[in-house]
Amino acid sequence: NAGVTQTPKFQVLKTGQSMTLQCAQDMNHEYMSWYRQDPGMGLRLIHYSVGAGITDQGEVPNGYNVSRSTTEDFPLRLLSAAPSQTSVYFCASLGRDGKLFFGSGTQLSVL
Amino acid sequence: DQQVKQNSPSLSVQEGRISILNCDYTNSMFDYFLWYKKYPAEGPTFLISISSIKDKNEDGRFTVFLNKSAKHLSLHIVPSQPGDSAVYFCAASVGSNTGKLIFGQGTTLQVKP
Repeated sequence: NAGVTQTPKFQVLKTGQSMTLQCAQDMNHEYMSWYRQDPGMGLRLIHYSVGAGITDQGEVPNGYNVSRSTTEDFPLRLLSAAPSQTSVYFCASLGRDGKLFFGSGTQLSVL
Repeated sequence: DQQVKQNSPSLSVQEGRISILNCDYTNSMFDYFLWYKKYPAEGPTFLISISSIKDKNEDGRFTVFLNKSAKHLSLHIVPSQPGDSAVYFCAASVGSNTGKLIFGQGTTLQVKP
């Protein structure tokens, strides 16, 4: 059972480049979300989805797009990367009792 | 404005002693609280949770206490072990199954052998 899988683990971008962070879960969870972790800030919610075809914004959605075409996949898109988006990104899915299961993270640097 | 705050960035304790990690929140609508543990290069993993209808929840060496009037929760680890060394995040939500967790900044715990 793989749980929540994120790719890539590391990425370096130049300002203005675009990329997609991939996230997949095999637990048939309806709810999925993306967080970013920054020093001194904890984890902050970027976007979330309560099911296929439904997405909504979290605390810090600017500069990011998401879509949810299947239950399993929830990609996060950076359309034009900025240095402020340098962070560690975590994808999560919601199991029973409100417990979030997290992927191992993507460390992104924007130069 | 940070709705969930962990004011101690780090904590160091001796193996076998008690570790107490603290967390404060400001939103009185929060009714579900969780603690997550995170090792370097890994995602956070669920540790323990508590509903606002309780003031204490235990799971082995881990106990979470909730003081609703003070809007304060704490995680006690007894006895502390070197393998407990990690970053601990507290989180809160309105409702127990929303998934929209608000996290604190984290406390780095070091347990010395």
